[in-house]
Amino acid sequence: GAGVSQSPRYKVTKRGQDVALRCDPISGHVSLYWYRQALGQGPEFLTYFNYEAQQDKSGLPNDRFSAERPEGSISTLTIQRTEQRDSAMYRCASSLSGTGYEQFFGPGTRLTVL
Amino acid sequence: DQQVKQNSPSLSVQEGRISILNCDYTNSMFDYFLWYKKYPAEGPTFLISISSIKDKNEDGRFTVFLNKSAKHLSLHIVPSQPGDSAVYFCAASETGTASKLTFGTGTRLQVTL
Repeated sequence: GAGVSQSPRYKVTKRGQDVALRCDPISGHVSLYWYRQALGQGPEFLTYFNYEAQQDKSGLPNDRFSAERPEGSISTLTIQRTEQRDSAMYRCASSLSGTGYEQFFGPGTRLTVL
Repeated sequence: DQQVKQNSPSLSVQEGRISILNCDYTNSMFDYFLWYKKYPAEGPTFLISISSIKDKNEDGRFTVFLNKSAKHLSLHIVPSQPGDSAVYFCAASETGTASKLTFGTGTRLQVTL
């Protein structure tokens, strides 16, 4: 299909390891978003891009979290020195543009930090 | 501080009847509101939206009502169908940060036969 894809779907890592989560947005979508969703909660905004430019990273919890979208398409969310509290579902979404258009979500990456 | 609140974690409705899901918000700068539906093991799917310049938006069986003075919106599903059983999230964004969606905690709707 032509939806948003994310990989891996599941990631189990040990505390202290770095992880990289990948998002492939819908072709032609300008804007790409990262959210984190804890169990029983709604998605929580982390950061977003228009093309390759990171427009807002106010939701990133600390400097262990970073994201990039170097060619304006695929994006990577990197978490360094993972901690158990980082365990969550990480969701990516894309939209045609940043204003007034609905965001299409991917299936998410379930991250478990042991 | 939860800026978007869905106070009912679950709702059960009989097939054919009306489902009403409620959402309250505290940030008066929010001016665009959306409802998403989520099935297990899938990402949230956009359902319907409403701008703050309107008080109602309808799409087939789904209608969203917005009461700005009460900072309240609701999603009506008529008639409810078993396939509507899912978790429904209310989300909002504000002028100038239209891309940043703030979500509620979700309401699980079960439509029974």
